[in-house]
Amino acid sequence: QKEVEQDPGPLSVPEGAIVSLNCTYSNSAFQYFMWYRQYSRKGPELLMYTYSSGNKEDGRFTAQVDKSSKYISLFIRDSQPSDSATYLCAMTTSYNNNDMRFGAGTRLTVKP
Amino acid sequence: DVKVTQSSRYLVKRTGEKVFLECVQDMDHENMFWYRQDPGLGLRLIYFSYDVKMKEKGDIPEGYSVSREKKERFSLILESASTNQTSMYLCASSYGQPQHFGDGTRLSIL
Repeated sequence: QKEVEQDPGPLSVPEGAIVSLNCTYSNSAFQYFMWYRQYSRKGPELLMYTYSSGNKEDGRFTAQVDKSSKYISLFIRDSQPSDSATYLCAMTTSYNNNDMRFGAGTRLTVKP
Repeated sequence: DVKVTQSSRYLVKRTGEKVFLECVQDMDHENMFWYRQDPGLGLRLIYFSYDVKMKEKGDIPEGYSVSREKKERFSLILESASTNQTSMYLCASSYGQPQHFGDGTRLSIL
C-alpha cells in the first residue's frame, strides 16, 4: 500500500461546477499538508498549505484535513477552464522534516 | 515570491554522457531538493541538501550525484546517463515547510 493514495482521474467537469479532490494516507504522524497545482510542462505551484486538522479557505479554494480519517480534500468552487491542471497532494510529519510524500496527482479538465 | 530557476527546460543527451542539471533559488533557503517525476509514479526524491556541502540520499539516488557549493545553487549530476533516466526533473527549495518548485527540466536520454 502506498503511503499516500490519490485517484489519478482524469476528472472532467463543466465550467462553474464544484470540484472535490481527495487524498488518503496511512501515516498518522503526518501534520503538514499541501496542495500543488501543476499545469502541463510546468513545475508544481503551491496552492494551499495547512497544519493539522481543520479547514482553510483562499478565494475559490478550500482545503480540509480530517486526521481521524487520514483524509484530505481540496474543493474548488465555481471552477474555471483555467483550473484545468494536475493537482498533487503532499504531506510531511514536521516543519523541519525534508521527507515529503506526494500523491500521484489528479488530472482535472474544466470544460467551458 | 519564491523564485526557483532551473537552467534548462528541455535537454537531449546521449547514453553514457555526463549530464549536469542546475538549479538556483533566490530566497536564501536552507533546504534544496531534486525530484524526478514519471507518469504513474509521482514525484520521487533523488537527493536533498540542508546546507552548503551537505547532502542526503532520497528514495532513488542510484546513478545520480549532487553538488552544493553555494547556498543558492544545487546541481544534479548524472554520472553516465542511461535511457531509464529519461524523465522530468524538478528542483525545489524550502525553509521548513512548504517546498517551492522550479518549472522542471524535461530530460531525454537517447
